[in-house]
Amino acid sequence: GESVGLHLPTLSVQEGDNSIINCAYSNSASDYFIWYKQESGKGPQFIIDIRSNMDKRQGQRVTVLLNKTVKHLSLQIAATQPGDSAVYFCAENLYGNNRLAFGKGNQVVVIP
Amino acid sequence: DADVTQTPRNRITKTGKRIMLECSQTKGHDRMYWYRQDPGLGLRLIYYSFDVKDINKGEISDGYSVSRQAQAKFSLSLESAIPNQTALYFCATSATSGGGETQYFGPGTRLLVL
Repeated sequence: GESVGLHLPTLSVQEGDNSIINCAYSNSASDYFIWYKQESGKGPQFIIDIRSNMDKRQGQRVTVLLNKTVKHLSLQIAATQPGDSAVYFCAENLYGNNRLAFGKGNQVVVIP
Repeated sequence: DADVTQTPRNRITKTGKRIMLECSQTKGHDRMYWYRQDPGLGLRLIYYSFDVKDINKGEISDGYSVSRQAQAKFSLSLESAIPNQTALYFCATSATSGGGETQYFGPGTRLLVL
């Protein structure tokens, strides 16, 4: 498989525990944020998004929190499963015209 | 069926060769993008197109060119490939709106330039 996760921060989590992945974004004017999951050998896959007029949004087993005061975004995964092992990265609508800026990503390793 | 497809999935070429990577989408989106991904780095934008007559450079366009042949097709060319263009290349699409919209990615093309 590819080495997308090479040299990335790694979070090791026990199966069944909750995971929290953090992301600092750069522009206080960014109005839209996305979390992506990338498994080995695959393209980035949309997980959840949030607009700047919200501070929390929930999906299936995932929650995104947005703290605009400190320009911080987090992704919480409940009851982490082996299939959650992947690289996760955030993106912000930095330029306001849907040219997204992507973070470098975090490797999540789920321990059975 | 995949909404965003890329061909080829893998390619090995030699320095100086011209190659083309192709992207097709069935999502009906106007906007299409080409990115490259290197190990340990984030996705970097090469070119983007907001409609068939609109082509824009991204942050790392040198050494690349693109063609938007139709709403559904966006191809990336390396005019004279060099080894530091070895990378994973992704195509993405998004709908058009007044604010941000999710970008949907293809499966990627792994390119090796010898």
